[in-house]
Amino acid sequence: AQSVTQPDIHITVSEGASLELRCNYSYGATPYLFWYVQSPGQGLQLLLKYFSGDTLVQGIKGFEAEFKRSQSSFNLRKPSVHWSDAAEYFCAVGAGSGGGADGLTFGKGTHLIIQP
Amino acid sequence: GAGVSQSPSNKVTEKGKDVELRCDPISGHTALYWYRQRLGQGLEFLIYFQGNSAPDKSGLPSDRFSAERTGESVSTLTIQRTQQEDSAVYLCASSLWSSLTDTQYFGPGTRLTVL
Repeated sequence: AQSVTQPDIHITVSEGASLELRCNYSYGATPYLFWYVQSPGQGLQLLLKYFSGDTLVQGIKGFEAEFKRSQSSFNLRKPSVHWSDAAEYFCAVGAGSGGGADGLTFGKGTHLIIQP
Repeated sequence: GAGVSQSPSNKVTEKGKDVELRCDPISGHTALYWYRQRLGQGLEFLIYFQGNSAPDKSGLPSDRFSAERTGESVSTLTIQRTQQEDSAVYLCASSLWSSLTDTQYFGPGTRLTVL
């Protein structure tokens, strides 16, 4: 079965600084990888996803993520954070068969705090 | 267009009572998913529907949990004889099809508190 580890429970970054949120996955086949953001009082919103092809994927709100098979990682990055980026970030993996039957397996999330 | 909606947004119940949670998916979405999010935890997949069929119910935590879906529309998650351990936010998501290449759109969730 697949699993996802987000090593950092909390991260504090100054506004305007760069950001990297770590995600490691465990899955035997080619993974389907996702990053979601959950802002207070709002549902989860998809930031970006990776299925195949170019290992650097661009998402919404200026986020990008890089798939590194050798490291089983899919880290999320942003060059310059804004106060509105403060939220909970979840990395998720889906079964490589492409079917939704197993749903998505989520990490426990990283809480991002932005300092003025 | 309208997104995924869930009701109620909050539910407080006493241990042993039954509760019913409702999810209205995005119109035209054939796949619907239920997840549970306990405090400080990631989302836990419970069950999915393709149309009104749920091929695999093994993700439901116990036989007190059941779910149904009417056509390709509303779904209800029912928890019988609630326990304090059932306290969590229950999230619903829908996608156009059940392929993982289709984005899952999440609702705002129902926060269930079992006293």
